[in-house]
Amino acid sequence: ETGVTQSPTHLIKTRGQQVTLRCSSQSGHNTVSWYQQALGQGPQFIFQYYREEENGRGNFPPRFSGLQFPNYSSELNVNALELDDSALYLCASKQASTDTQYFGPGTRLTVL
Amino acid sequence: KNQVEQSPQSLIILEGKNCTLQCNYTVSPFSNLRWYKQDTGRGPVSLTIMTFSENTKSNGRYTATLDADTKQSSLHITASQLSDSASYICVVSAKDSSYKLIFGSGTRLLVRP
Repeated sequence: ETGVTQSPTHLIKTRGQQVTLRCSSQSGHNTVSWYQQALGQGPQFIFQYYREEENGRGNFPPRFSGLQFPNYSSELNVNALELDDSALYLCASKQASTDTQYFGPGTRLTVL
Repeated sequence: KNQVEQSPQSLIILEGKNCTLQCNYTVSPFSNLRWYKQDTGRGPVSLTIMTFSENTKSNGRYTATLDADTKQSSLHITASQLSDSASYICVVSAKDSSYKLIFGSGTRLLVRP
């Protein structure tokens, strides 16, 4: 176990809807990253938060947004869902001074 | 363009046999290379991490090698077990973007009894 949890485990939405995914990091981890992993592919970096501020972003549109809270939890919000948003969404946390990220089990999102 | 390519895409071996997975990267400037194991529907778990100056690192039956000159890495699994069935992902980070990891697509390994 990595000490990183995510909820919900699975989620089904329809096109155009909005979704919020949640992540609880290890205590003391002030950096959290979110990834999208399509079936059979490696994870793709969405963005990273450090001390509640976004400090890095991958090639994802603005309808992907996030929040990080002082209690080491974070959210990924996706607006106007598209079919291609169907994927496993992973969060990973770490301390800013280290290289090793600890991944959560992921949330499987299906968009119909 | 920073890229990580893995081969083979999938692999089937018999329990008890050894196997080697390959990773080639074009990430520059190079910071470190990680191998992760990802069980189906689960998050990746780190196996090894190597910096520029390290050319081999072991974690139990897993041994990773790194050739920074040719930008190649391998993961060797010895005496495979059924629980080794998973995807193995090679991940490289660039020195100037510590927050961004470049992931390979993974090798899907199936160990059969």
